[in-house]
Amino acid sequence: GAGVSQSPRYKVAKRGQDVALRCDPISGHVSLFWYQQALGQGPEFLTYFQNEAQLDKSGLPSDRFFAERPEGSVSTLKIQRTQQEDSAVYLCASSSERRPRLAGEVYNEQFFGPGTRLTVL
Amino acid sequence: DAKTTQPTSMDCAEGRAANLPCNHSTISGNEYVYWYRQIHSQGPQYIIHGLKNNETNEMASLIITEDRKSSTLILPHATLRDTAVYYCIVRVPLSGTYKYIFGTGTRLKVLA
Repeated sequence: GAGVSQSPRYKVAKRGQDVALRCDPISGHVSLFWYQQALGQGPEFLTYFQNEAQLDKSGLPSDRFFAERPEGSVSTLKIQRTQQEDSAVYLCASSSERRPRLAGEVYNEQFFGPGTRLTVL
Repeated sequence: DAKTTQPTSMDCAEGRAANLPCNHSTISGNEYVYWYRQIHSQGPQYIIHGLKNNETNEMASLIITEDRKSSTLILPHATLRDTAVYYCIVRVPLSGTYKYIFGTGTRLKVLA
């Protein structure tokens, strides 16, 4: 089946530009997470949605970062007035929150997309 | 805020077991340990997870010490395709679900 997809895969922005990064989670997944991965580092949590509700945004680094998921499926991470320190890979993950029914299913497993690599010049 | 520490890099000969250690000395009693791996230009992929018992699946084994302060991921017969960055993760509660706290990862290189 289709996994988590993200677009664009690569984005180059000039400092000060606004950018929008899209995430298409696995169909039916209730939970959606955004992570930021700096070069050579592990991903760091940014924000979390349960359906359309943004339940936690404690990891967003500044008020220039904004995320939405208006219909509880596709999500967009928007960064306003981009700075060089925003350069990173932005990963989206989704999770079903459903108790496992099939062999091999893992409760609360997060499925990650390939990420969007943002470079701010 | 990092809850896990891992060696930066390791090499392993093809066909041999790869043992990847992780320290998580501040882990709480109900926090699970997860392992994911990330191949270049892809998102992290699930390998295995555990709480306090040792676990095994078709990909790997996870050995957790009795005091839960450390664990080891074992790939029993490493292949060239296992070359990746391996992340040891602590899963912590978050607003009715859980979030992952990643370490800095171990870059495993499997040598022919």
